[in-house]
Amino acid sequence: ETGVTQSPTHLIKTRGQQVTLRCSSQSGHNTVSWYQQALGQGPQFIFQYYREEENGRGNFPPRFSGLQFPNYSSELNVNALELDDSALYLCASSLEGLPLNAFFGQGTRLTVV
Amino acid sequence: AQRVTQPEKLLSVFKGAPVELKCNYSYSGSPELFWYVQYSRQRLQLLLRHISRESIKGFTADLNKGETSFHLKKPFAQEEDSAMYYCALSYSSASKIIFGSGTRLSIRP
Repeated sequence: ETGVTQSPTHLIKTRGQQVTLRCSSQSGHNTVSWYQQALGQGPQFIFQYYREEENGRGNFPPRFSGLQFPNYSSELNVNALELDDSALYLCASSLEGLPLNAFFGQGTRLTVV
Repeated sequence: AQRVTQPEKLLSVFKGAPVELKCNYSYSGSPELFWYVQYSRQRLQLLLRHISRESIKGFTADLNKGETSFHLKKPFAQEEDSAMYYCALSYSSASKIIFGSGTRLSIRP
């Protein structure tokens, strides 16, 4: 068991709403990365948080934002939801701002209707 | 731009047959290549890294910089190998992993 937990596991939202997804990192890890995995695709990097600061961002609009807390857990917030935001959102924890040896959570399945 | 290409969406082989999952990448520098695996109803997990030069569950992968490939191989497939496999790339100073679109490996009894 890797210790990376995400909540909720499933979520249904209406277009235009806002959503917050949560991730608890592996004990001892200070870095959390978020990925979006659309159906039939590989995970795509959204952003990374290292020691409570954003440390890299992928090609996602500003309505995707995040936070990392002093205990290194993290939130992903998405505003003004669009139908194309429907996907599996993965959180990965690692060390020192590096994606190596990352442990992934089980994901949150977001459906936007 | 960095990219990882997995040309096969589905690969189906018989138990005991050799397996090769193809992966090509584009990156001008020195990449770090990985294979991740996702078994049914389980989370994504690291299978192997090219710098480790190890064999995990009988799988190996060799980085060929000339052909920009990192194919995953196993000489004798087992039913428990059935899963989704993702080739991925990263590099020094990068904060992200770039994933391919994945290949579903199905082992027939």
